[in-house]
Amino acid sequence: DSGVTQTPKHLITATGQRVTLRCSPRSGDLSVYWYQQSLDQGLQFLIQYYNGEERAKGNILERFSAQQFPDLHSELNLSSLELGDSALYFCASSLISTSSSTDTQYFGPGTRLTVL
Amino acid sequence: AQSVSQHNHHVILSEAASLELGCNYSYGGTVNLFWYVQYPGQHLQLLLKYFSGDPLVKGIKGFEAEFIKSKFSFNLRKPSVQWSDTAEYFCAVNGNAGNNRKLIWGLGTSLAVNP
Repeated sequence: DSGVTQTPKHLITATGQRVTLRCSPRSGDLSVYWYQQSLDQGLQFLIQYYNGEERAKGNILERFSAQQFPDLHSELNLSSLELGDSALYFCASSLISTSSSTDTQYFGPGTRLTVL
Repeated sequence: AQSVSQHNHHVILSEAASLELGCNYSYGGTVNLFWYVQYPGQHLQLLLKYFSGDPLVKGIKGFEAEFIKSKFSFNLRKPSVQWSDTAEYFCAVNGNAGNNRKLIWGLGTSLAVNP
């Protein structure tokens, strides 16, 4: 158990719908990352938040958005869903101490999204 | 461009065989290197990591990896695999500056160990 929690575990929805994935980081971690894992693209970085602020953006579609709340949990919102959005969505967290140049990301169990 | 290349997509071994999975990266600047493992139906778990110092790093479950800077490689090894090592293995890299630490991933290597 990494200490990172994600809900829900599975999500089945229809095209055109909107869903919200939730992530709670490990206690003490300030940074949250979202990754998408699909069969054809592998693992892709979507977005990173650090202490409530967006820090880096990857291959995240405009239909997708995220935020990190004051209690440091994060939500990934996926809207106007398409069949191709079906994937495993992982959240990871890390500390990112300003006094250290090294950092390890710990992953949650993922949310499996199926778009029908 | 930043990228990670894992040479072997599928590997099949018998128990007690030795394992070496290749990983090469392209990344500007000082890097941190990682191997993660994903057992069937489970989430990504950290196997080992390299930040600096001794280029030979040891991880959990008897795995080790060697960072060869001149070859931009970080190959994963295990002298004797077990059936329980059947999993997907991912090599990843990120930089160690600033607060942007996004991981760049290889496509993964699927390892099947036959009992």
